[in-house]
Amino acid sequence: EAQVTQNPRYLITVTGKKLTVTCSQNMNHEYMSWYRQDPGLGLRQIYYSMNVEVTDKGDVPEGYKVSRKEKRNFPLILESPSPNQTSLYFCASSPGDSYNEQFFGPGTRLTVL
Amino acid sequence: GQSLEQPSEVTAVEGAIVQINCTYQTSGFYGLSWYQQHDGGAPTFLSYNALDGLEETGRFSSFLSRSDSYGYLLLQELQMKDSASYFCALMDSNYQLIWGAGTKLIIKP
Repeated sequence: EAQVTQNPRYLITVTGKKLTVTCSQNMNHEYMSWYRQDPGLGLRQIYYSMNVEVTDKGDVPEGYKVSRKEKRNFPLILESPSPNQTSLYFCASSPGDSYNEQFFGPGTRLTVL
Repeated sequence: GQSLEQPSEVTAVEGAIVQINCTYQTSGFYGLSWYQQHDGGAPTFLSYNALDGLEETGRFSSFLSRSDSYGYLLLQELQMKDSASYFCALMDSNYQLIWGAGTKLIIKP
């Protein structure tokens, strides 16, 4: 089944404890992206990648890191999480001929205490 | 900067037609997309307009006018399952996707 998977789905952590949210897609898509969704603000792009070893900052990259060593994986790293990073996170991917049609993972709900 | 505006909430009756508007400010973009998100779920792609005009996909249509910096999503023959939030999003010249804050569609029987 063609899909985008994220792990974990739910995470409660404490300020300053490094964490990684994994994202993987099995559709051979070139474009991958991370978003955070907060009430009343819609989705905001954190980082995106148009291909392996290519990453670009979105609207809200501060406090986050990403890497794209393989086409299928695009992990999101929070090296020192803070409470203002409590949010719902989505990973998405899209094929190279249609960046606008993005396929989303199920989401990761992160709470930083 | 770039921004998209859409109404926060729209109410309609089952079986009716509803239009969700999206106005935007940007210096350049590839196209305007629409996504649907049910409560507790992930966004799913509905439609995309690269060029001015109407795109039709079943009960859903989307329209873009670059000269008016405006687009809309039209939903026909509304069903209760269409109750969801709808987002417009534009892909800018750097391939970054910028999203509106979303419109919650409430459908009454």
